[in-house]
Amino acid sequence: EAGVTQSPTHLIKTRGQQATLRCSPISGHTSVYWYQQALGLGLQFLLWYDEGEERNRGNFPPRFSGRQFPNYSSELNVNALELEDSALYLCASSLLGQGIGELFFGEGSRLTVL
Amino acid sequence: AQSVAQPEDQVNVAEGNPLTVKCTYSVSGNPYLFWYVQYPNRGLQFLLKYITGDNLVKGSYGFEAEFNKSRTSFHLKTPSALVSDSALYFCALDNYGQNFVFGPGTRLSVLP
Repeated sequence: EAGVTQSPTHLIKTRGQQATLRCSPISGHTSVYWYQQALGLGLQFLLWYDEGEERNRGNFPPRFSGRQFPNYSSELNVNALELEDSALYLCASSLLGQGIGELFFGEGSRLTVL
Repeated sequence: AQSVAQPEDQVNVAEGNPLTVKCTYSVSGNPYLFWYVQYPNRGLQFLLKYITGDNLVKGSYGFEAEFNKSRTSFHLKTPSALVSDSALYFCALDNYGQNFVFGPGTRLSVLP
């Protein structure tokens, strides 16, 4: 069974540009979570999608946005990039409904803003 | 509000010695608690979870964790550390399916 896949692995952008990151959850998982992990720091919750709807959002500005598609894959968009957006962006999926299931993480997309 | 604390940024232990990585939590109601491990430049891997039942939970790679409700703790342990256990360890709390709350992480270094 394929795990959570994220693309691209690495992305280099300049300040002010837009970045799009993609995530495919484990087959059958309906929930997708996005986290930001800045270098040497912990995980900061960004967004949670389930069944195509945004269910919860972390303390990030509106230029961080995303969506979930009918096949449950997800996209994270970051507009007007700033230097401090440089981080590892982790996607995770879970099967909501179990309610207490663990998150399964992808390998992450490393975004570098120059 | 729900929160997770990992009081140690760094834990150093000699190979073969027992180790404990500490985690305390704050939550209203019954906690669902998890441990994850992250190797350099990788995503997080699930180690174990506590939902209900036996307070001692066994997980992957020889790790176990002890849930202590009175102390609101969920410490990760192994009886004999390996150099390959060196990684970043995160304790997490499931906020009733709303989102996971992660602790700040503890960097474990096992010295040969």
